[in-house]
Amino acid sequence: EPEVTQTPSHQVTQMGQEVILRCVPISNHLYFYWYRQILGQKVEFLVSFYNNEISEKSEIFDDQFSVERPDGSNFTLKIRSTKLEDSAMYFCASGGSGTEAFFGQGTRLTVV
Amino acid sequence: QKEVEQDPGPLSVPEGAIVSLNCTYSNSAFQYFMWYRQYSRKGPELLMYTYSSGNKEDGRFTAQVDKSSKYISLFIRDSQPSDSATYLCAMSDTGGFKTIFGAGTRLFVKA
Repeated sequence: EPEVTQTPSHQVTQMGQEVILRCVPISNHLYFYWYRQILGQKVEFLVSFYNNEISEKSEIFDDQFSVERPDGSNFTLKIRSTKLEDSAMYFCASGGSGTEAFFGQGTRLTVV
Repeated sequence: QKEVEQDPGPLSVPEGAIVSLNCTYSNSAFQYFMWYRQYSRKGPELLMYTYSSGNKEDGRFTAQVDKSSKYISLFIRDSQPSDSATYLCAMSDTGGFKTIFGAGTRLFVKA
């Protein structure tokens, strides 16, 4: 069964460093998303990406964040200068339509 | 008022019980309604999605949407210990680019 794959599973970084979280969406999917979940809190929408551009973003997704689809298979989330409060699980998701989203297993980001 | 409200529980039931999980919402623009299941430290897994009002059934799961009341439900029949997880409601407006999640309800099914 096709699945969304995320790497790394766990990333530890120092405050102020840049991190890139990587995702391989399900092939043939056209819609791509990033969500985050701070420990013990709800899943929060960050950004959606369709037709090679951002279609919607939340207030969390400020200038520190960027997304890219560098080739036909990968979808990345970059955080330019990490802060302690960026520590969370980051989930990538993809969908064949704009309604369903299939999630990866997440990358646990720990900022120290 | 939060956009999506969901009782975090925990909800504990005996094996075989019928489970009812619910969410309310305030944004009348929501058209698509989803239920996800999330096991500890895993990504959410899509269980069901419905468009607009009505019922949808899939095996032991039934999703109901009442847009007039801004209320959605998920029923689990013949609950099993393997159903123990956090259940997240989620919804989006037309186009579905941005999905808003509820806080999730933790469910424990006791053998």
